[in-house]
Amino acid sequence: SQTIHQWPATLVQPVGSPLSLECTVEGTSNPNLYWYRQAAGRGLQLLFYSVGIGQISSEVPQNLSASRPQDRQFILSSKKLLLSDSGFYLCAWSVGPGLGYTFGSGTRLTVV
Amino acid sequence: AQSVSQHNHHVILSEAASLELGCNYSYGGTVNLFWYVQYPGQHLQLLLKYFSGDPLVKGIKGFEAEFIKSKFSFNLRKPSVQWSDTAEYFCAVNAFQTGANNLFFGTGTRLTVIP
Repeated sequence: SQTIHQWPATLVQPVGSPLSLECTVEGTSNPNLYWYRQAAGRGLQLLFYSVGIGQISSEVPQNLSASRPQDRQFILSSKKLLLSDSGFYLCAWSVGPGLGYTFGSGTRLTVV
Repeated sequence: AQSVSQHNHHVILSEAASLELGCNYSYGGTVNLFWYVQYPGQHLQLLLKYFSGDPLVKGIKGFEAEFIKSKFSFNLRKPSVQWSDTAEYFCAVNAFQTGANNLFFGTGTRLTVIP
């Protein structure tokens, strides 16, 4: 069966520090991968999506970047965190159009 | 660009009351529609989905939603809520694009059911 792993679960980082959040999927090949951010009172915002290795599309200009070094690995990064980067980050995957997503357990990031 | 609107930010109901959460989207093409639920401390889970066919779809835990194309709406309903339905509910729309099937989410509706 397919599973999605996301870590760490919580993270407290100072302003200006780097960030690396990792997401991996098991049990499927060539998934579509997504990073969402759930900010308080603002719902789910699509940040990045990837349809294949090395292919990244950004939906919202921001202080973050994403990479997909392997088929089932999706990484969210920042060189210098801002206070406004605080939020709940969710990774998700899907196998194809219209099938909906399976979400990871999320990472709660607090930038202090 | 696609957008999804959930006008109810916080709904408070007593147990056994009926529920209807509104969802409207803005996209004129082919769409798939979803409702996700996030129970306190848990992952986002798929509640129900509409792809095609009967516009009234039934999901888990007694929830249903009706797709009304002319109104660009996909409202979620439940005839009698339970305390365990307390959660945050997200409507999502997948508008077909080349490549990835991107889901666009509404801002969510927090449902609090009072025993």
